[in-house]
Amino acid sequence: EIVLTQSPGTLSLSPGERATLSCRASQSVSSSYLAWYQQKPGQAPRLLIYGASSRATGIPDRFSGSGSGTDFTLTISRLEPEDFAVYYCQQYGSSLPLTFGGGTKVEIK
Amino acid sequence: EVQLVESGGGLVQPGRSLRLSCAASGFTFDDYAMHWVRQAPGKGLEWVSGISWNSGSIGYADSVKGRFTISRDNAKNSLYLQMNSLRAEDTALYYCAKSAGQQLAYNWFDPWGQGTLVTVSS
Repeated sequence: EIVLTQSPGTLSLSPGERATLSCRASQSVSSSYLAWYQQKPGQAPRLLIYGASSRATGIPDRFSGSGSGTDFTLTISRLEPEDFAVYYCQQYGSSLPLTFGGGTKVEIK
Repeated sequence: EVQLVESGGGLVQPGRSLRLSCAASGFTFDDYAMHWVRQAPGKGLEWVSGISWNSGSIGYADSVKGRFTISRDNAKNSLYLQMNSLRAEDTALYYCAKSAGQQLAYNWFDPWGQGTLVTVSS
């Protein structure tokens, strides 16, 4: 099983600041089969990034993903009020089970 | 517009069974794999089970293997999760999610339904 470790657990920032979220895998994620999701309270998760760096349809360009192998990053260039939420990474490669990281909460400072 | 609507959740005693359903619309259901993901209260996301487009490939989390069974009816555009021998630790919001492709793996999840709550308690 590929274990995904997200850090930090909580990120306290102000609107307009840059957010950098980390996702580290216990073994290499093949072909960058890595996605990021955003979840707001009372809502279902929403896809942000797939293939480690491709933005999903309708996702603003302030969201960007990077990385390969075991180290991946989600960057929000300038936080908007609606970006304060919990973010999860997920690996969906050939190794079952498909797994999620524990999440990073981005909160208003 | 793609829509996924889960149903079948509720309060159930430990050891009993429950069957969840997910009604899909707005896309060609039998072209895509489907998944169940759960979220315990205040916790993170846990993949539960997935099924390929033609039911030829199925996978389960170790935590539910042998107790849960995933299935689909492509004629009815529906996904199911039969949950037997339920435990308190199965208490969670259960989401249905559409895969981006036909196979069990290699594809991200988009979109997700709003979930159905399962509470296992005596």
